[in-house]
Amino acid sequence: KQEVTQIPAALSVPEGENLVLNCSFTDSAIYNLQWFRQDPGKGLTSLLLIQSSQREQTSGRLNASLDKSSGRSTLYIAASQPGDSATYLCAVRNYGQNFVFGPGTRLSVLP
Amino acid sequence: NAGVTQTPKFQVLKTGQSMTLQCAQDMNHEYMSWYRQDPGMGLRLIHYSVGAGITDQGEVPNGYNVSRSTTEDFPLRLLSAAPSQTSVYFCASSPSGGTGELFFGEGSRLTVL
Repeated sequence: KQEVTQIPAALSVPEGENLVLNCSFTDSAIYNLQWFRQDPGKGLTSLLLIQSSQREQTSGRLNASLDKSSGRSTLYIAASQPGDSATYLCAVRNYGQNFVFGPGTRLSVLP
Repeated sequence: NAGVTQTPKFQVLKTGQSMTLQCAQDMNHEYMSWYRQDPGMGLRLIHYSVGAGITDQGEVPNGYNVSRSTTEDFPLRLLSAAPSQTSVYFCASSPSGGTGELFFGEGSRLTVL
């Protein structure tokens, strides 16, 4: 059974810092990995999608990497801003087509 | 572009009542799914569908029923609401074939008294 974990569970940083969020999964038989952002009381917004054949994806200040063989992905946020404060979740899509989510990392960026 | 639309956004039920959460998508996605999100439990899959006429159970299906008569719609029915079903429910859709991105609705907050 696929299990997805995220470290750290919570993170607090001063504005302007670069930071890394980690996602690990136990079964490398995946189609893709997706990073989401969730603001309090809101739905999930897709940030980046990495296919299993890809190593990384970039969107603005965000960069996500994927090492399928080791079961790891990282989300790098450059020059963090208070508006980046949210919960970040990763999800893998199994060969059975379903998605398995990690518990999320709660990020606070302090002004 | 509407994407994934869920209704209602908020609902309060009494124990034993039944109700249906509606989900519709306009992206012609074959895969649709329902999740519940509870504090400390993360997102858990309730039911999913890979196309019209095809549904299957996820991790926590008990107390819920689904059907998929069209590609666009995937309603979630609570048969006899219980306080344990108090949660935030999310509908999501994706193209089939494995490589597609997952899109979420805004969520439905359900309270069962």
